[in-house]
Amino acid sequence: GAGVSQSPRYKVAKRGQDVALRCDPISGHVSLFWYQQALGQGPEFLTYFQNEAQLDKSGLPSDRFFAERPEGSVSTLKIQRTQQEDSAVYLCASSLGPNTEAFFGQGTRLTVV
Amino acid sequence: GENVEQHPSTLSVQEGDSAVIKCTYSDSASNYFPWYKQELGKRPQLIIDIRSNVGEKKDQRIAVTLNKTAKHFSLHITETQPEDSAVYFCAASKAKGNTGKLIFGQGTTLQVKP
Repeated sequence: GAGVSQSPRYKVAKRGQDVALRCDPISGHVSLFWYQQALGQGPEFLTYFQNEAQLDKSGLPSDRFFAERPEGSVSTLKIQRTQQEDSAVYLCASSLGPNTEAFFGQGTRLTVV
Repeated sequence: GENVEQHPSTLSVQEGDSAVIKCTYSDSASNYFPWYKQELGKRPQLIIDIRSNVGEKKDQRIAVTLNKTAKHFSLHITETQPEDSAVYFCAASKAKGNTGKLIFGQGTTLQVKP
């Protein structure tokens, strides 16, 4: 595709439910990032992949958050047992490599009720 | 870890005036500094970036300056137009250790009044 694609665009989950958010990066992009953006705030780093390797997961807020990129392309961010504080926009970004332009997806707005 | 502070949080200017947004960073190893524009409900989009081997970069009405000694960088928008109204984020990253993750500032809401 022409850009980074995320699905679903919107997700409403009941507290305690598991969710899976998908990111299709730009073809050929080695680096993939997940960010969490609360309303009125800047994106907060969650995790980083270089190809299929998860090189940095220092931003994941708890062990309920898990991300994977098994074939070095599509990535999935999974949140188990969702809680209200997980409500946010989850942004995925990809780039050719470190310190190159990162292209963002439209984000998935997660609302936990 | 790296921390990026951004000021002001809101900025209102008259159309045609200039706007300046400033950021400071904590990690002296940071060497890449992009600026993103985010319109309401849309994705962040890169508008300009600068690397640590350059002190200034300009692209039409937009310019970025970097002071490595003081660890701060600024976005300058001249001849502002109503379509410049958006939230602007600065960010910093370093390539050392294969990270490359961007650390963002808190954002500046720019309003350009016609």
